[in-house]
Amino acid sequence: QKEVEQNSGPLSVPEGAIASLNCTYSDRGSQSFFWYRQYSGKSPELIMFIYSNGDKEDGRFTAQLNKASQYVSLLIRDSQPSDSATYLCAVKNLMYSGGGADGLTFGKGTHLIIQP
Amino acid sequence: DVKVTQSSRYLVKRTGEKVFLECVQDMDHENMFWYRQDPGLGLRLIYFSYDVKMKEKGDIPEGYSVSREKKERFSLILESASTNQTSMYLCASSLGQGDSYNEQFFGPGTRLTVL
Repeated sequence: QKEVEQNSGPLSVPEGAIASLNCTYSDRGSQSFFWYRQYSGKSPELIMFIYSNGDKEDGRFTAQLNKASQYVSLLIRDSQPSDSATYLCAVKNLMYSGGGADGLTFGKGTHLIIQP
Repeated sequence: DVKVTQSSRYLVKRTGEKVFLECVQDMDHENMFWYRQDPGLGLRLIYFSYDVKMKEKGDIPEGYSVSREKKERFSLILESASTNQTSMYLCASSLGQGDSYNEQFFGPGTRLTVL
């Protein structure tokens, strides 16, 4: 069984600071990694994806991937109260990739609270 | 904008009833997925489909079946609902281009309660 682990939190960060969210995965063969944001009562929405080792930046968000350590993280700079949500780490599961479909295995999510 | 809609936002059913959850996407996506989301367990894949009439099992297919008769519609069926199937059910779709990643777009979810 492929595992994706996240600290459930809550992670409390003051407004304007950097929020750091972490995720580890068990399948060394995993190639594709995703971060979804889910507001309370809403469905998940994709904010970042990363395939290669290193950093990928998109606005205030930076995804970091270290395949040797099987570790992926999401940094949120200049955190805003609107960033308060649950962040889901997901890994493409090759078992669920038939016919071009990209089935994902999700972690349980980290609840992030940005304190004004 | 991609739009994924689900037939009901809230649903209450009795144990033993047959339950249909419907999902429709309007962007001609090849792939469709059904997940359930439970506190402490996260999102888990039930079934997915990469083409009309094609279906594949996910992590937790037991107690569920699916139907995809048309490209835009993917149905989740609970043959005989049980209380442990009380959950939030989320449908998603993605474009489908071989090995390339395709973003999954989620519907608003159906909160099912089985009494």
